[in-house]
Amino acid sequence: ILNVEQSPQSLHVQEGDSTNFTCSFPSSNFYALHWYRWETAKSPEALFVMTLNGDEKKKGRISATLNTKEGYSYLYIKGSQPEDSATYLCAFWSNDYKLSFGAGTTVTVRA
Amino acid sequence: NAGVTQTPKFRVLKTGQSMTLLCAQDMNHEYMYWYRQDPGMGLRLIHYSVGEGTTAKGEVPDGYNVSRLKKQNFLLGLESAAPSQTSVYFCASGRGGKWGEQFFGPGTRLTVL
Repeated sequence: ILNVEQSPQSLHVQEGDSTNFTCSFPSSNFYALHWYRWETAKSPEALFVMTLNGDEKKKGRISATLNTKEGYSYLYIKGSQPEDSATYLCAFWSNDYKLSFGAGTTVTVRA
Repeated sequence: NAGVTQTPKFRVLKTGQSMTLLCAQDMNHEYMYWYRQDPGMGLRLIHYSVGEGTTAKGEVPDGYNVSRLKKQNFLLGLESAAPSQTSVYFCASGRGGKWGEQFFGPGTRLTVL
């Protein structure tokens, strides 16, 4: 299992503020980097699958960037809303059939 | 399409009892996975399968067995449950390939007393 690290572990954001957090992963044998959104008592749902260095993906107020050369990805939430409260997981896909997940960043948006 | 389904949703076992968790997918995916989720530890891979009739160990396989007799089903067995196996179990399926996107089931909450 490959070492995928996410920071910070948790963060609290005031409604309307923007925030971002990091996923770091091995830069070798890179195939894809996944971001999942995981709400309490639900199952993880895919947000983005990113494959190319320099990739930028956007879904509504959430966006992500990818740097495969240095092994990191940022996820950004613009104008946070209470419904953005969730744990955000990143996962690294290489050529060994398995996703290696980070421990997640738990975002709590305060109204 | 139902996607990925898991049976049962909840279960309480006594130490030493056995049970089987069933995962079913209707997306014709080759790859299937069993994870457990524990507080502060994210998702940890128990076992996985890259096709019918094949299984492989993940990060935390001890105390679990799996079988993939049919492409659409992936069974997770606990032969002698222990309190340390109290967890939420997620099944996922995917096509593998270059992207590896996975689709998750709703989870099974297991408590071992």
